[in-house]
Amino acid sequence: DGGITQSPKYLFRKEGQNVTLSCEQNLNHDAMYWYRQDPGQGLRLIYYSQIVNDFQKGDIAEGYSVSREKKESFPLTVTSAQKNPTAFYLCASTRDRERTEAFFGQGTRLTVV
Amino acid sequence: GESVGLHLPTLSVQEGDNSIINCAYSNSASDYFIWYKQESGKGPQFIIDIRSNMDKRQGQRVTVLLNKTVKHLSLQIAATQPGDSAVYFCAENIKGGSYIPTFGRGTSLIVHP
Repeated sequence: DGGITQSPKYLFRKEGQNVTLSCEQNLNHDAMYWYRQDPGQGLRLIYYSQIVNDFQKGDIAEGYSVSREKKESFPLTVTSAQKNPTAFYLCASTRDRERTEAFFGQGTRLTVV
Repeated sequence: GESVGLHLPTLSVQEGDNSIINCAYSNSASDYFIWYKQESGKGPQFIIDIRSNMDKRQGQRVTVLLNKTVKHLSLQIAATQPGDSAVYFCAENIKGGSYIPTFGRGTSLIVHP
């Protein structure tokens, strides 16, 4: 089955640690995105990538980093510089940069302990 | 579970009623719109889309209406069922060289049996 796989589903981080969230897709989609979701808010764009080896900052990129070394993979690192990292993180992909629907993974819930 | 719905606009309906969920979009340059459904603890899923050259599009039990004059979208769900309970997001794809899915705040739909 084609789709997007995020791992882990739940992640706990101590303050001051960096953590990396995995996102893999086998849809052969060009574009991939990371969103953050907090209670009572919509999805806010962190980073996106429309081709391999290229990515752009979204609206709330501070404290996060990404890489896009392979078409299938778009990992997100939450660094210690992110002051309030506890949230639900969603990875998505679209077929290309034109008007197409986004396919989402099941999300990773990150909690700082 | 996911607490996204606690602070969102909420629509409560009885099973069998028709539901109407509204969304205002921000950018007059947006020309492609999608409604997504997000169940608790999961990633959003595509419901229906509409392009700006249309006013109305129908799917199975769902209809999307687009009013470009006032930048307003609505999602109508016929004969609402308990399984329709979820958070519903409208998303606009804003053309700025490429299309980036941009999400509204969401509406929590609660269907009472």
